[in-house]
Amino acid sequence: NAGVMQNPRHLVRRRGQEARLRCSPMKGHSHVYWYRQLPEEGLKFMVYLQKENIIDESGMPKERFSAEFPKEGPSILRIQQVVRGDSAAYFCASSPSGTYSNQPQHFGDGTRLSIL
Amino acid sequence: DQQVKQNSPSLSVQEGRISILNCDYTNSMFDYFLWYKKYPAEGPTFLISISSIKDKNEDGRFTVFLNKSAKHLSLHIVPSQPGDSAVYFCAASDTSGTYKYIFGTGTRLKVLA
Repeated sequence: NAGVMQNPRHLVRRRGQEARLRCSPMKGHSHVYWYRQLPEEGLKFMVYLQKENIIDESGMPKERFSAEFPKEGPSILRIQQVVRGDSAAYFCASSPSGTYSNQPQHFGDGTRLSIL
Repeated sequence: DQQVKQNSPSLSVQEGRISILNCDYTNSMFDYFLWYKKYPAEGPTFLISISSIKDKNEDGRFTVFLNKSAKHLSLHIVPSQPGDSAVYFCAASDTSGTYKYIFGTGTRLKVLA
């Protein structure tokens, strides 16, 4: 299956710990997007990355959250000093191009983060 | 500020009949619209899209209609099947920007056998 791969599927952390979520885009895709879905809500854009570049982080909280997409390896969404309000499903999507190309973003199955 | 709205949280339809899901948007800069389907514990799956230069796009049982003057789009599923039961999300994008999607809150469709 050459789809978007996210791991872990479920992650449990205690308040104050760090959470690391990983995303490997579809083969041939070099553009990655992270979205967060709170219970009973739609997906909210967080950040858009290309290899080694953050293009748009307008949806990222200013503190504790960071994202990277290194030259080699998966994209990482990192949440430091987690709080209960960080509990959500985090989805990664990828596309072959970030410009208008009529090619939709394809989503992974998400990481469900639970904070105790 | 909810720029993309799906005002019906749920919809029930008999198998074989038409399902119509609605979506409204407020940002006139949006020019690319998509529908995604989502099953529990899975990621959204792309269904169909439409650009603002069109008013209709069809793919098999799925048709999306766009009314730019009303800032409204709808997804028609004909005929509806039990396997269509899922949450449907409308999304919009301003392609002059960074191609991020703005999602509605979803409509849960239940197709009754």
